[in-house]
Parts: sequence; structure tokens; C-alpha cells
Amino acid sequence: DTAVSQTPKYLVTQMGNDKSIKCEQNLGHDTMYWYKQDSKKFLKIMFSYNNKELIINETVPNRFSPKSPDKAHLNLHINSLELGDSAVYFCASSSQAGGPSEQYFGPGTRLTVT
Amino acid sequence: DAKTTQPPSMDCAEGRAANLPCNHSTISGNEYVYWYRQIHSQGPQYIIHGLKNNETNEMASLIITEDRKSSTLILPHATLRDTAVYYCIVRVAGGGSQGNLIFGKGTKLSVKP
Repeated sequence: DTAVSQTPKYLVTQMGNDKSIKCEQNLGHDTMYWYKQDSKKFLKIMFSYNNKELIINETVPNRFSPKSPDKAHLNLHINSLELGDSAVYFCASSSQAGGPSEQYFGPGTRLTVT
Repeated sequence: DAKTTQPPSMDCAEGRAANLPCNHSTISGNEYVYWYRQIHSQGPQYIIHGLKNNETNEMASLIITEDRKSSTLILPHATLRDTAVYYCIVRVAGGGSQGNLIFGKGTKLSVKP
């Protein structure tokens, strides 16, 4: 059973388009996250959600918006895509917001903007 | 910025123990030491974490010095599948942005046959 899943695995799109990446976790966790890994392989947190509330919002452009229809899902919407948005995006979840518990990561979505 | 310092790369012979060091000289009393790894093109994978005492699980052991300013992750019998980038992260056990995982550059461990 996949604990944290993301769709699609690969996404190629043109500048200016709007796209979404979906994330689902079946671990019963109450906190979910989105991370971005750029071409230099640096992993940076973008957002986290706890019980449908945004509790961390790092300095990302407002073109990026997380949406959580329920506790098991945290989707990432990106408007007006730019070349610099090309990266691998990872979803993660944990059982307690900021607690000592570990985060479980999805397999990633490789976004390429042309 | 990451609050840890790790060597950029290390080699280890297959079947031998891999000892990955990490310096976190500015660690606070309420910060845990976490280790994650990222195998090529996959999502990061949790390995182990600790606060003060040494910890062991089925994957690895974590040795934290008494002053907590450094730690060592030990993979007792490295295999080729342990080749990955290993990240040492310090993090508070609390909510909000203080509880973020801040990834540094990590150590690229290459296990060789």
C-alpha cells in the first residue's frame, strides 16, 4: 500500500498555464506538506496544512496555492506557470504538527515548464 | 539556512559500517536531531531521530555526543542500496515554522562493491 501518493509523476506544460498536482495520504496523519526541490537539489518547504488550516506559509509566490478538501488530501495549484517553477515537488505528511514525529514523503512530481 | 554541517561526500565498502558525521554546534535544548536520506529520484525517507540519548532502529543507530553539538549516523552493514544523500536536520518539537524540516546539502554516500 502506498502511504503518500502524488499524481501526476511527470508534468510538462507551457509558460502561463495553470496546473495542479494532487497528493493523498492513507496514514491517517493530520498534517501535510509541500516541498520544492530545484535543479541544485535543494529541498525547501513551501506549505503545510493541519486539520484544514494553513499553519506554515513560507515565502512562495501567491501563484502557488495549497488546497485541502479533506484531511487525507493536499493539492497544489499553480497559476501562470513560469520557467523557474520547473522542479520536483514532494508532498509529505506527519502525525502531529511540529511534533517529534517523522514525515513521510511521496514519490515526487517532476514539473517541467517550457 | 540549515543549522548543520556535513561532509559533502563519503565512500563506504559494501558490508562495512558507514559512519556519517554531523555537526550542530548551535543546537538548542529543545531541538531534536533527525536523519533522512534521499535515494536518487525518490522522495526523502525518514531514518531515525533523537534528542539526547543514543537511538537504534532497524535501519540505523544514532550516536549523539554528550554536549549534543555533534552526532553520527551509523549504518551497520552498508549495502549498495544505501547509496543516497543523507541529511542531518535539527528541529524543534513544536508547531508553526519552527517545526519545519530545513534540508541542507547533505552527505552523498556511495557504497562500493
